[in-house]
Amino acid sequence: DTAVSQTPKYLVTQMGNDKSIKCEQNLGHDTMYWYKQDSKKFLKIMFSYNNKELIINETVPNRFSPKSPDKAHLNLHINSLELGDSAVYFCASSQAFSDVSGNTIYFGEGSWLTVV
Amino acid sequence: SQKIEQNSEALNIQEGKTATLTCNYTNYSPAYLQWYRQDPGRGPVFLLLIRENEKEKRKERLKVTFDTTLKQSLFHITASQPADSATYLCALDNNAGNMLTFGGGTRLMVKP
Repeated sequence: DTAVSQTPKYLVTQMGNDKSIKCEQNLGHDTMYWYKQDSKKFLKIMFSYNNKELIINETVPNRFSPKSPDKAHLNLHINSLELGDSAVYFCASSQAFSDVSGNTIYFGEGSWLTVV
Repeated sequence: SQKIEQNSEALNIQEGKTATLTCNYTNYSPAYLQWYRQDPGRGPVFLLLIRENEKEKRKERLKVTFDTTLKQSLFHITASQPADSATYLCALDNNAGNMLTFGGGTRLMVKP
């Protein structure tokens, strides 16, 4: 069973389009994230949700809107796509922070977004 | 400004040798430091976590050290194998929950 699954894995779309990436985790975790990995391989946090509540919203254009219908799902909707949005987007989840596990994160396989 | 630095150049070593990767940080006071492995086309996978009050942590052929004075962590893979070839990412946990910040990763190539 895939712990954190996201779809689609590959997405090629034209500038100006609106697209969504879906994510589901079956680990029972309370916290979910969206990370962006650019061409230089830097992995940067975009959003964090804890029990469907937005916790972290890093400096991300408001064209990006996360939606969490329940704590097992965190979808990412992107409006008016731009060339610079091309990247790999990773969904992830973690248990509540603890002294034992810190904040170990479980990642999905990534969604490769190419804007042309 | 805060920085997490890993050697962006690939590390090439011969099979059987020990690989040592470095993670340096500035303007952070992490409670934990984690190491992840990322294979091409895949998501990062957690390997090891070390707390600020721990000097060293081991798991099979992996060893991590954490020096809060030097603000550095070293990640060692002993008896390296070609299957160890991947990108290794360090990440700092600031003990505030929900916030893990990653370095840029170092690509390791183990040649047979």
